[in-house]
Amino acid sequence: GQQLNQSPQSMFIQEGEDVSMNCTSSSIFNTWLWYKQDPGEGPVLLIALYKAGELTSNGRLTAQFGITRKDSFLNISASIPSDVGIYFCAPSSGDKIIFGKGTRLHILP
Amino acid sequence: NAGVTQTPKFRVLKTGQSMTLLCAQDMNHEYMYWYRQDPGMGLRLIHYSVGEGTTAKGEVPDGYNVSRLKKQNFLLGLESAAPSQTSVYFCASSYSTRGGPDTQYFGPGTRLTVL
Repeated sequence: GQQLNQSPQSMFIQEGEDVSMNCTSSSIFNTWLWYKQDPGEGPVLLIALYKAGELTSNGRLTAQFGITRKDSFLNISASIPSDVGIYFCAPSSGDKIIFGKGTRLHILP
Repeated sequence: NAGVTQTPKFRVLKTGQSMTLLCAQDMNHEYMYWYRQDPGMGLRLIHYSVGEGTTAKGEVPDGYNVSRLKKQNFLLGLESAAPSQTSVYFCASSYSTRGGPDTQYFGPGTRLTVL
């Protein structure tokens, strides 16, 4: 099956710090999506990437689709309390979208 | 638009009981999916559908059946519930671009406990 590794599993940071997380795979994908999930809610799309090498920003969020099409990263700059949650990468090829195990972001007061 | 809705929000079953989870979307999406989410496991795909009348197995299909009789609805059935099926179930739908699924829109989830 397809192997998808998301890291780190969790992060504890101070408000205002920058955050970086990534996903790597042994498989090639056509699309990389990044989602955020708040407690008790379904995931919500943050950024969608469609081309190898593509770098896309959405406010304080920046994500890149790796040149090899096997990886992607998500950066959050100047973190704020509402950034707390679980972040998932979700690459796809064909008809299926698979999800990483998530990065749980904690912000220390 | 209501987006993606799921019924019920919570359910408790006894081992061996059956039930059906209903997912409905009003966005005319072709693709629909059922995932389960367990602590530390992320979301795992159970079954999916690429259009009305079609279904396909995902990563963890055993113990579940699905039907897509109408484009807007995707039903997930548990014929004989087991404690291992205790989980939060999410439905999602997406439109099709570039020959495959695009952004998924998720429902609020159904929390199922099997005793």
